[in-house]
Amino acid sequence: AQSVTQLGSHVSVSEGALVLLRCNYSSSVPPYLFWYVQYPNQGLQLLLKYTSAATLVKGINGFEAEFKKSETSFHLTKPSAHMSDAAEYFCAVQTGTASKLTFGTGTRLQVTL
Amino acid sequence: NAGVTQTPKFRILKIGQSMTLQCTQDMNHNYMYWYRQDPGMGLKLIYYSVGAGITDKGEVPNGYNVSRSTTEDFPLRLELAAPSQTSVYFCASSSLGGTYNEQFFGPGTRLTVL
Repeated sequence: AQSVTQLGSHVSVSEGALVLLRCNYSSSVPPYLFWYVQYPNQGLQLLLKYTSAATLVKGINGFEAEFKKSETSFHLTKPSAHMSDAAEYFCAVQTGTASKLTFGTGTRLQVTL
Repeated sequence: NAGVTQTPKFRILKIGQSMTLQCTQDMNHNYMYWYRQDPGMGLKLIYYSVGAGITDKGEVPNGYNVSRSTTEDFPLRLELAAPSQTSVYFCASSSLGGTYNEQFFGPGTRLTVL
């Protein structure tokens, strides 16, 4: 069965600092991986997705993620945090048929001045 | 396009009451999903549908029912509400075809069962 693990339920960074949110996957087949963002009191919005075309994936709002098969990781990064990045971030892996997703437990990002 | 819409936004139920959470999408998507989100647990799939008239259970289906009579609508029914069903519920949809389709999410329904 495919699954994802997000290390760190809360991450706090200063404005302008590097953002690193960790996601490790478990899959017996080449995975399709996603990062979603959830702003307070809103639904989820796709940040980026890995579909095997390129290992470094660029998404919206300056975020990117690198697929590393040797480390079974798909960590999300942003060079310089902005206050507007404060949100909860979910890593997900496509599971089975019908484009179903299995989500990680989420990481809440706090950005401080 | 409105995308995925959900009603109501908030609801308080008493134990044993029933209700239907409504979900509608205007993107002509074949796939639709219901998730529940609990603090620290991520999202768990309740039910999903691959098209009108076809539904299937997800990871946590107990206590819920669904139907899909049209492409646009995918209501979720709670028959006998229990405190364990206090959660935020999200509906999502995805297009048919391809192997890595993005899911589009509604704004959610916050349900409290007392």
